[in-house]
Amino acid sequence: QQQVKQSPQSLIVQKGGISIINCAYENTAFDYFPWYQQFPGKGPALLIAIRPDVSEKKEGRFTISFNKSAKQFSLHIMDSQPGDSATYFCAASMNSGGSNYKLTFGKGTLLTVNP
Amino acid sequence: DGGITQSPKYLFRKEGQNVTLSCEQNLNHDAMYWYRQDPGQGLRLIYYSQIVNDFQKGDIAEGYSVSREKKESFPLTVTSAQKNPTAFYLCACGTSGTDTQYFGPGTRLTVL
Repeated sequence: QQQVKQSPQSLIVQKGGISIINCAYENTAFDYFPWYQQFPGKGPALLIAIRPDVSEKKEGRFTISFNKSAKQFSLHIMDSQPGDSATYFCAASMNSGGSNYKLTFGKGTLLTVNP
Repeated sequence: DGGITQSPKYLFRKEGQNVTLSCEQNLNHDAMYWYRQDPGQGLRLIYYSQIVNDFQKGDIAEGYSVSREKKESFPLTVTSAQKNPTAFYLCACGTSGTDTQYFGPGTRLTVL
């Protein structure tokens, strides 16, 4: 059972455009929603994260929009650059007991920004 | 990557052999995790450990084993019982009681 659904699988954007990646979750116990950026052959790096008490968080060109009632969240990359070309993963986390937190990942979106 | 390292970067194994992947961190994090990444499948949790000498199975633990004898180290053994071991393996760490995880650079395992 896939608890975090991510779309699209791949995305091609022109330089300077806006990239939008969407995720939907099922479990209302999730309370932390990070986005990771991964370049080929490298480990994922934390990009930006949000908690359900806010509807939007912005860091530089990256913005997370969060819709608690719809159980959806999205990543917006403004003024997309070729260096942003990477695979992006959304994830969701909840406390699984005691001090245990487990991340559930979406399947990823391959973003290509054309120059 | 920062203070979490994985070795080797590439690993080749013959069918029927066990192999151990190394993960070391100097971030003083209590929690450590192992994930498997396959093309188009995202990251799937194999094992995790919140404290030394204790670890729990993740979603796909069959065919894998771990140990946590030191806070800094969390090696993963891929046993011959793992039917499809060829994958990219990622180790992560984080502060116990928090959500944030930091990933290592990964080990690509290929079974010949």
